[in-house]
Amino acid sequence: AQSVTQLDSQVPVFEEAPVELRCNYSSSVSVYLFWYVQYPNQGLQLLLKYLSGSTLVKGINGFEAEFNKSQTSFHLRKPSVHISDTAEYFCAVSVAGNTGKLIFGQGTTLQVKP
Amino acid sequence: NAGVTQTPKFRILKIGQSMTLQCTQDMNHNYMYWYRQDPGMGLKLIYYSVGAGITDKGEVPNGYNVSRSTTEDFPLRLELAAPSQTSVYFCASSYPSPGGVNIQYFGAGTRLSVL
Repeated sequence: AQSVTQLDSQVPVFEEAPVELRCNYSSSVSVYLFWYVQYPNQGLQLLLKYLSGSTLVKGINGFEAEFNKSQTSFHLRKPSVHISDTAEYFCAVSVAGNTGKLIFGQGTTLQVKP
Repeated sequence: NAGVTQTPKFRILKIGQSMTLQCTQDMNHNYMYWYRQDPGMGLKLIYYSVGAGITDKGEVPNGYNVSRSTTEDFPLRLELAAPSQTSVYFCASSYPSPGGVNIQYFGAGTRLSVL
């Protein structure tokens, strides 16, 4: 079975500061890794994904994430955040060929302060 | 470009009432999913479907039923609403992209309160 742990439930940060949202996963088989963002009262939007190859993946809105197989982590980073980045962020995994079912972490609320 | 459409957006139910949450997608995706989102718990899979006429249980199926008579529609049925079903429900659809990974697209959600 797979599981995902997001290590911080809330991350407050000032505008233009860098931010890292941490995600660890557990799986006995290879997985695909995702970060989704949920703006207030909206559905989830895909930020980025890791399928294979380069361990550094870039997504929308200036976000990037690094896959670390030895530490089973997939942390999300942005060098300079904006007020508009205030949202909830979800890390998720799926197993190849398994109907695409996603297993989500608990979510991290990013609050960007002016 | 509608994508995944969920109705209603909000609903209040009394204990024991029944209702159907509607989900339709216009992307011709074979795979569809229902999740529930509870505070601090992330999203949990309720049911999923890999095509018309084929459904299967997810992690938290108790108290819910689904059907998939067409590719476009995947309704979720609550037969006897309970307070524990107060949640935000998300429908998603996906297709297998090159490499075999399914990219899921989400609807805007239905916020349900059972009182």
